[in-house]
Amino acid sequence: EDQVTQSPEALRLQEGESSSLNCSYTVSGLRGLFWYRQDPGKGPEFLFTLYSAGEEKEKERLKATLTKKESFLHITAPKPEDSATYLCAVQPPQGAQKLVFGQGTRLTINP
Amino acid sequence: DAGITQSPRHKVTETGTPVTLRCHQTENHRYMYWYRQDPGHGLRLIHYSYGVKDTDKGEVSDGYSVSRSKTEDFLLTLESATSSQTSVYFCAISGRDDNEQFFGPGTRLTVL
Repeated sequence: EDQVTQSPEALRLQEGESSSLNCSYTVSGLRGLFWYRQDPGKGPEFLFTLYSAGEEKEKERLKATLTKKESFLHITAPKPEDSATYLCAVQPPQGAQKLVFGQGTRLTINP
Repeated sequence: DAGITQSPRHKVTETGTPVTLRCHQTENHRYMYWYRQDPGHGLRLIHYSYGVKDTDKGEVSDGYSVSRSKTEDFLLTLESATSSQTSVYFCAISGRDDNEQFFGPGTRLTVL
């Protein structure tokens, strides 16, 4: 069974304190790994897609990396507006374009 | 913002009543999806569509049906709502060659 596990469940940082969020997955033949940001009361907002081990993507203070078993979302010098829940999802090889989501990491950046 | 709207945005209903949620897109994307999001479970796929009148089941399809008579509209129906279907429902879309899914604003449904 395809599974996605995100850790930690919640993370509280001070403004400017860099850290990383983890997404571990068990999928045979990964087609893609996706990161989303979700603010309270809103739909997930697409951030990155990673397709192969070693790939990296960057956007402002965020950088996503991918290995054969996990992905990291690195947050450098975060600001309070980076506070949100970050979701990871994987696309298995079968089943059209279905995504399997992790439960998310709730990130809080204190000023 | 992806051109996705959901209606209604909030609904309170009683157990046993039928409920229909609507997702409308202006992007002409081929794929449309319905998810539910619950604490402790994350986002789970209910049904998806890969074209007009072409639909398939997701992970948690029991108690739900869908229809897609036009490219732009994807309807989710709860034939007889139960309290376990209290949730936030999200619609998503993706293109033929794009793997990324883009989400709507969500519908909060409460079944009393």
